[in-house]
Amino acid sequence: SAVISQKPSRDICQRGTSLTIQCQVDSQVTMMFWYRQQPGQSLTLIATANQGSEATYESGFVIDKFPISRPNLTFSTLTVSNMSPEDSSIYLCSVATGAGELFFGEGSRLTVL
Amino acid sequence: GQNIDQPTEMTATEGAIVQINCTYQTSGFNGLFWYQQHAGEAPTFLSYNVLDGLEEKGRFSSFLSRSKGYSYLLLKELQMKDSASYLCAVRAGANNLFFGTGTRLTVIP
Repeated sequence: SAVISQKPSRDICQRGTSLTIQCQVDSQVTMMFWYRQQPGQSLTLIATANQGSEATYESGFVIDKFPISRPNLTFSTLTVSNMSPEDSSIYLCSVATGAGELFFGEGSRLTVL
Repeated sequence: GQNIDQPTEMTATEGAIVQINCTYQTSGFNGLFWYQQHAGEAPTFLSYNVLDGLEEKGRFSSFLSRSKGYSYLLLKELQMKDSASYLCAVRAGANNLFFGTGTRLTVIP
């Protein structure tokens, strides 16, 4: 398994501001992913964070709204830009191991007022 | 696209066995995962099936039939702490994981 640390664990933000969420893994991993879980919903994949190249976004998510960095094999950030109350959600970082298993960080609970 | 179906809610008695079903339709199937998620917490990995058959891990077992697009998670000797949401997720392609809406399991005494 992998140990994944996310911060902040939670935050309350004002409409129109931006927040960057950090994800740190205790080992080098090739694939890192960012998910969103809105209240009462299941998880939705936002994007795949690729090391050394631009992230790959899923339908409905764009780079301007959710810029992602992946400077090395153990770290990634997700920024939620120009936030609105609809962005209130839990944002989760996940990594895939060589065995194909996928593990999640503890999540960052974001509330936008 | 992906289509993953699982029951919304289930209730079972402590000590009993419960089976949570998941059916899926996807292109480029590359494995099926089950996760447990307690309220307010991140999902916890339970099992991973890529070939047909049964995978057993203690009280939890997971079954996959790729030809039928079907999986189930079997929980034995239910405990109160097993009350949680159970998420079925399908990997399509390289590593993209798509989740069902989850099954909320309530274990009653």
